[in-house]
Amino acid sequence: DAKTTQPNSMESNEEEPVHLPCNHSTISGTDYIHWYRQLPSQGPEYVIHGLTSNVNNRMASLAIAEDRKSSTLILHRATLRDAAVYYCILRDPTNSGYALNFGKGTSLLVTP
Amino acid sequence: DTEVTQTPKHLVMGMTNKKSLKCEQHMGHRAMYWYKQKAKKPPELMFVYSYEKLSINESVPSRFSPECPNSSLLNLHLHALQPEDSALYLCASSQVRGYGYTFGSGTRLTVV
Repeated sequence: DAKTTQPNSMESNEEEPVHLPCNHSTISGTDYIHWYRQLPSQGPEYVIHGLTSNVNNRMASLAIAEDRKSSTLILHRATLRDAAVYYCILRDPTNSGYALNFGKGTSLLVTP
Repeated sequence: DTEVTQTPKHLVMGMTNKKSLKCEQHMGHRAMYWYKQKAKKPPELMFVYSYEKLSINESVPSRFSPECPNSSLLNLHLHALQPEDSALYLCASSQVRGYGYTFGSGTRLTVV
């Protein structure tokens, strides 16, 4: 799997938007961009995924650069419950390995 | 049912004990996974089962023995573990080559 680079930590104020960046300069044409988050004492949780176009769901938005070498997870209004480690993962569904491999992720701190 | 259930939630075992971790899902997912997570580290893939057959073993020591008795159940048999094997063990499931993984809350294992 291609490598991703994320900041180790970020901080946000409650009710403010949060933009979590991810660089993946070696992404291949068949790699999908996945975001998962892990709240304290819980297993990881699927957030969103995309290939080329920007994606929105009830949890977040995913903005993908035109050259696909970077992406940004957007939480529109951070709450205290959004404090978690956020993982950006590339995965090629055509690859026979078809398993998620986690990098270090970004630890998001949300302050009141 | 949209959950992955792991039992037990906590386990303390001696180095000479034999124990098993259990994982169950009823979402019709035919891919199941074991991950190991040490404190403040990302999850590390251990095993992948696809259609109840072991497809990936990430060079895991033989003291960890996975088993997939049917499409809903995944076990991890433990024998002669070392203190450094103490960690959070996470189970996940997905459609084969699917996009969203569902994780359980994990079993926190302590080897004494």
